[in-house]
Amino acid sequence: GAVVSQHPSWVICKSGTSVKIECRSLDFQATTMFWYRQFPKQSLMLMATSNEGSKATYEQGVEKDKFLINHASLTLSTLTVTSAHPEDSSFYICSARDSGTQYFGPGTRLLVL
Amino acid sequence: GDSVTQMEGPVTLSEEAFLTINCTYTATGYPSLFWYVQYPGEGLQLLLKATKADDKGSNKGFEATYRKETTSFHLEKGSVQVSDSAVYFCALSVSPEGGNKLVFGAGTILRVKS
Repeated sequence: GAVVSQHPSWVICKSGTSVKIECRSLDFQATTMFWYRQFPKQSLMLMATSNEGSKATYEQGVEKDKFLINHASLTLSTLTVTSAHPEDSSFYICSARDSGTQYFGPGTRLLVL
Repeated sequence: GDSVTQMEGPVTLSEEAFLTINCTYTATGYPSLFWYVQYPGEGLQLLLKATKADDKGSNKGFEATYRKETTSFHLEKGSVQVSDSAVYFCALSVSPEGGNKLVFGAGTILRVKS
């Protein structure tokens, strides 16, 4: 089946630094990937839709300059949290679309101190 | 806007017990409905889906029926196993296969004891 990986699985960083999270489709090519954020005991919230070779589409309320998305190849999308602050601490999950279905990565837990 | 509400967990059951996880939704159109499952350390996996009213999705002994009149999509299983312990997410999408924006519920933790 379609497999999506994320790296790193968890990261701790200091406030003010930037953190990059990678999302890879391992056995298929994905022109579209999605980035979600999940707070404890809350829903996964779609942050943005990442399209290979073009700009990402951000959901209302998501700062595009804060959460930089790059989808430079058909198997890789990256999310960079710039100048991270403690309120950015969360669980970030990506998915990749294959034949109309989304396949999810295992998530990345970010803790900003 | 569209939203999904599911019962809070954790739900703790003994092996072979009957499972129900409630899910209700609010949507402006006619969405497709999904249940996803997340096992420890893994990504969300599609468990089952239904694309129109009265459809029943089923997989691995789990079932859910799309009830338009009650805007519900409750997940059921007649006899749970320890291996069913996971987090279950109810979701909706305007896309039949869920390939576009998914709106998720908060997730329900299921713990099955032997």
